[in-house]
Amino acid sequence: DQQVKQNSPSLSVQEGRISILNCDYTNSMFDYFLWYKKYPAEGPTFLISISSIKDKNEDGRFTVFLNKSAKHLSLHIVPSQPGDSAVYFCAARVNSGYSTLTFGKGTMLLVSP
Amino acid sequence: NAGVTQTPKFRVLKTGQSMTLLCAQDMNHEYMYWYRQDPGMGLRLIHYSVGEGTTAKGEVPDGYNVSRLKKQNFLLGLESAAPSQTSVYFCASGERHFSSYEQYFGPGTRLTVT
Repeated sequence: DQQVKQNSPSLSVQEGRISILNCDYTNSMFDYFLWYKKYPAEGPTFLISISSIKDKNEDGRFTVFLNKSAKHLSLHIVPSQPGDSAVYFCAARVNSGYSTLTFGKGTMLLVSP
Repeated sequence: NAGVTQTPKFRVLKTGQSMTLLCAQDMNHEYMYWYRQDPGMGLRLIHYSVGEGTTAKGEVPDGYNVSRLKKQNFLLGLESAAPSQTSVYFCASGERHFSSYEQYFGPGTRLTVT
């Protein structure tokens, strides 16, 4: 049972346009969400996060939106740059004693010049 | 700060062989994790540790053992490797803060079992 779903395996966007990556979840006990970025042959790196008590968090070109009623979050990248081309993972944490994360399968973003 | 380092970077094993993957972190983090990444499967948690001397099972623990004898090190062992364990293995570390649950990842170990 996949609790964190990224239904788009890939996304292609032109440089300068907006990239929107989507993530859906099923577990209502998730209280914290994170986005990670991964380049080939490297480990994932933290990008941005949001607590379930918020509906938006912004950091430079990156904004994450959370819709709790729909159990949906999205990552917006504006403007997109070729260096943003990577795999993006959505992750969620259950509100319990230990901080384990559940990851989605990832979306590969390709930003073309 | 080196952050999270993993040894080795690449390894090829024959079925039935054993090996240990080493993870080290210099950030004094309490929590450490081992994940595997397979094509189309995302990151799946194998085992984790919430402190020195403690370990716990994650989502896919079968065929693996772990040890956390020192706070900075987390070892992942394969006692009898199988082709199904061909994967990229990532170690991560983190702290438990009430405002952040970020994990810091190592560069990965690519393991092939033939």
